[in-house]
Amino acid sequence: EDQVTQSPEALRLQEGESSSLNCSYTVSGLRGLFWYRQDPGKGPEFLFTLYSAGEEKEKERLKATLTKKESFLHITAPKPEDSATYLCAAHSGTYKYIFGTGTRLKVLA
Amino acid sequence: EPEVTQTPSHQVTQMGQEVILRCVPISNHLYFYWYRQILGQKVEFLVSFYNNEISEKSEIFDDQFSVERPDGSNFTLKIRSTKLEDSAMYFCASTSDRGYYEQYFGPGTRLTVT
Repeated sequence: EDQVTQSPEALRLQEGESSSLNCSYTVSGLRGLFWYRQDPGKGPEFLFTLYSAGEEKEKERLKATLTKKESFLHITAPKPEDSATYLCAAHSGTYKYIFGTGTRLKVLA
Repeated sequence: EPEVTQTPSHQVTQMGQEVILRCVPISNHLYFYWYRQILGQKVEFLVSFYNNEISEKSEIFDDQFSVERPDGSNFTLKIRSTKLEDSAMYFCASTSDRGYYEQYFGPGTRLTVT
């Protein structure tokens, strides 16, 4: 069964304290791995799409990487405005989009 | 900046009633999606739509659900006979190509079934 698991469920960081969020996936025929940011009461906001193992993408303080089994979202020197829930999703060979439960990130000033 | 819009922002309905949730995708996008998120749970894929027909759907998307693109701008999700468990946030999304480009999500419609 296709599955996406994110860890940790919640993460508290001090401003400037870098860390990584994990997304493990078991998906038949991965067509794309997506990262989104979701603020409370709002829709997910697209961050990155990764298509093949070894691929990396960066945007400001965020960097996403992909292996054959997992993806990481690295946050470098986070700021309080980076506080949000970060969602990972896989687009499978059966053309379904499978989301993880997310990591709730809180960055303290 | 172009954005996906959804109406209404909050819909309250009684069990057994029909509801229609409306979305206006980004104008030059070709693929449209509906997702739902029950409070505190993960985002769940419902259906994708391209060229005026359903291209993929999940097990959640049963006969109680239907989608339509009634004109060149709107994309609707209809729930024929709502159940208590249909209470959730419903998100519409669109993309310029199938899954290989970023999906832009709308702000969502909170559906409350009483």
